[in-house]
Amino acid sequence: DAGVIQSPRHEVTEMGQEVTLRCKPISGHDYLFWYRQTMMRGLELLIYFNNNVPIDDSGMPEDRFSAKMPNASFSTLKIQPSEPRDSAVYFCASRRSDPETQYFGPGTRLLVL
Amino acid sequence: QKEVEQDPGPLSVPEGAIVSLNCTYSNSAFQYFMWYRQYSRKGPELLMYTYSSGNKEDGRFTAQVDKSSKYISLFIRDSQPSDSATYLCAMERGNFNKFYFGSGTKLNVKP
Repeated sequence: DAGVIQSPRHEVTEMGQEVTLRCKPISGHDYLFWYRQTMMRGLELLIYFNNNVPIDDSGMPEDRFSAKMPNASFSTLKIQPSEPRDSAVYFCASRRSDPETQYFGPGTRLLVL
Repeated sequence: QKEVEQDPGPLSVPEGAIVSLNCTYSNSAFQYFMWYRQYSRKGPELLMYTYSSGNKEDGRFTAQVDKSSKYISLFIRDSQPSDSATYLCAMERGNFNKFYFGSGTKLNVKP
């Protein structure tokens, strides 16, 4: 299996621009998670989906952030408009209902200038 | 106060040393305790997880949980340069969805 796939791996954009991050979970996994990692705040859960339905989005920092999962093999995290404080590494992870292990993707490094 | 506290290090040790990594937490509802390893520019990968208090051993790695003190540890025996990475503790209340991560301890094992 190819593992969790994320694109792009790196993104540099200017403040105010829209940013879209993409994730393909491992086939057969019915949970998908979006995390953000910064030096200051560590690894934080933003939102997670079960069977393509958002279950908990309490970690989404602001209305500028939105996430969708139109089907079992694709999810997006969108930031509009982006701000410099959104600069971070964004991880996508997935898991099956059983067992408990979450598998992380390689991350997208976002820099907002 | 953060729910999970972890010393960021960095921690530098010679090859073959015993390494002790620790986290403290404040929420007594946490039941599952995990350790993740994250190599530079990679995603975290699960090393070990334990349920409730006690020890769990897997090769050179031992995870220890003390719920009465709200303290967890990861011990690495005979450390190797390939163990050089950031180690993140994580914990959750039982549904394996909402994990609370420590900030990570960066470990460097010198040959």
